[in-house]
Parts: sequence; C-alpha cells; structure tokens
Amino acid sequence: QKEVEQNSGPLSVPEGAIASLNCTYSDRVSQSFFWYRQYSGKSPELIMSIYSNGDKEDGRFTAQLNKASQYVSLLIRDSQPSDSATYLCAVIYTGGFKTIFGAGTRLFVKA
Amino acid sequence: EAQVTQNPRYLITVTGKKLTVTCSQNMNHEYMSWYRQDPGLGLRQIYYSMNVEVTDKGDVPEGYKVSRKEKRNFPLILESPSPNQTSLYFCASSLTGDTQYFGPGTRLTVL
Repeated sequence: QKEVEQNSGPLSVPEGAIASLNCTYSDRVSQSFFWYRQYSGKSPELIMSIYSNGDKEDGRFTAQLNKASQYVSLLIRDSQPSDSATYLCAVIYTGGFKTIFGAGTRLFVKA
Repeated sequence: EAQVTQNPRYLITVTGKKLTVTCSQNMNHEYMSWYRQDPGLGLRQIYYSMNVEVTDKGDVPEGYKVSRKEKRNFPLILESPSPNQTSLYFCASSLTGDTQYFGPGTRLTVL
C-alpha cells in the first residue's frame, strides 16, 4: 500500500516567520512530487512541483526533495496571514497517473 | 477561460438512486481524475484516465464507474449510492500527467 504521510497540524507560526511543512512517502518508485494549497471551502491549487533531489525555489516557497530518505518538504519564508490554509503533499507514481495525497497540514499564520 | 467544471455542485440523494456527476475541461488535457475528500483522510483517487477510452482504478474505486468517450468529459457514475459515499468530490485534469487543475467540487450527501 502506497502511503504519503503528513503531520495534520495545526502548525501555527507568527507573521514573517518561516513555516516548514514535511511529507514522507513509502514507495521508492515515486516519480513526481507536488505541494498543493487548499483554502477552506475551495479546491486545491498547485504551489510547487519537484522531480529531482535538492531544492527548488519559487518566490517565498522552497520545495526540498530527498529521495534516499523518502521525504519532501515545503518552506514558506516571510509567512503571511494569507498563507493560512491546508497544504497537501502529493506523489505521482512512475508509469501512470496514480496519485496519492497526504491528509494535509493545516497552517495558521498569526498577524 | 481555462477551467474544469463539475455539475452539480451540490446534491442530496437517497440510497440506491443512480446518479452521475459530470466533469468537463476546456484545456485539451489528456489526463483526468476523480477524487473524494473526507475529513482526516485527504484526497483519495477514485479513477483516472490517461486518454480517451483509457481508464484505471485509483485507491478507492469500489462503488464508482467512469467513462472517457471524449477528451473533454469524464463523468463519475454511482450506480447504487450508499451513505458511505457521502463526500466532497473533485475532478481534476492535467496536460502531461503532472500538475493537476481541479474543478470546484461537488458536495454529495446520500441519505
């Protein structure tokens, strides 16, 4: 059974701080990794994708992938109250479109 | 406007009454997928399609059917709905099988 694990939180950080979100996955055949953000009552939207080991930066967001340790993380720098949402980690497996999501981490950024 | 649309957005039905939730995308995407989202469980993939007439099971296919007769549409069929299928359903599409664009969701209640 392929699994993707996330700490459900809530994670609470003050405005301007760095928020660190983590995700582990069980299957080494995993190919593609994604972070989605979901505001309450809304549909998920993509923040970052990452495919190879290392860091990938996009504005205030940095995704980190370590395939040997089977984890992927998302750092949000200079956190803003508008970043308060649930963050979903997703893994797509090699050879198809089978997608496993973690249960999500709720982030609260306090003004 | 590029989008994924779902209908209906809200549906209350009774056990055993067949229903179809429609999903349509106007982005000429090859890949489409259905998910259900339940509290504490995150998004779970029901079925996905990698092309017209090509579908495959996700993690929770029991009680659901899909078809992909044309590229833009991917309906989800519940032949005999049961209360445990009460959930929030999302359709998603993807051009190349990585980044997914989600529809607005369909909230289904089965009494």
